[in-house]
Amino acid sequence: ETGVTQSPTHLIKTRGQQVTLRCSSQSGHNTVSWYQQALGQGPQFIFQYYREEENGRGNFPPRFSGLQFPNYSSELNVNALELDDSALYLCASSQGPLNSYEQYFGPGTRLTVT
Amino acid sequence: AQRVTQPEKLLSVFKGAPVELKCNYSYSGSPELFWYVQYSRQRLQLLLRHISRESIKGFTADLNKGETSFHLKKPFAQEEDSAMYYCALSSGGSNYKLTFGKGTLLTVNP
Repeated sequence: ETGVTQSPTHLIKTRGQQVTLRCSSQSGHNTVSWYQQALGQGPQFIFQYYREEENGRGNFPPRFSGLQFPNYSSELNVNALELDDSALYLCASSQGPLNSYEQYFGPGTRLTVT
Repeated sequence: AQRVTQPEKLLSVFKGAPVELKCNYSYSGSPELFWYVQYSRQRLQLLLRHISRESIKGFTADLNKGETSFHLKKPFAQEEDSAMYYCALSSGGSNYKLTFGKGTLLTVNP
């Protein structure tokens, strides 16, 4: 069984730029959730994708967008980066949205915006 | 709005001592509560879920709706319990969005 993988591990961007983060879900999982974890905080829900469609969104502006592909992998895109976007971005997969209570997390991508 | 509060950022106990990590929540409906744990250099993982009423690695947690609390307890702490613990709440529904607390770093000293 392959676990959740994320790429890249670290990323440094400049304010105003755009970034794409990638996530491969665990084998057999069709649902992907994205979280932002700022330093000293718990993970904060950004959105969830199920069957290639957004299935719920947290309190994040539209410049945070995502995609899910037929193989259930997912991307998180952030446009017009701001300094406050600096955080650890976590991806989590699960077997369907109604089983999302048991989410399997990836190692995260550390984004630094300067 | 749903909110999870973990009042202690840091908790330090000695091996063999009882440990209690506090979690309080705010939600108007019937929430589901969870504890997630992150050991050093490992990923965030589910420890236990209130509905299952299981004891995992000696830890238990009881949902107290009157006090809106879901404290995590273990009678005898072990050094390997040292980790970051997050309490999380879900309103259920179609996407099981999780709302996390800020976490408590537990250190069990030898």
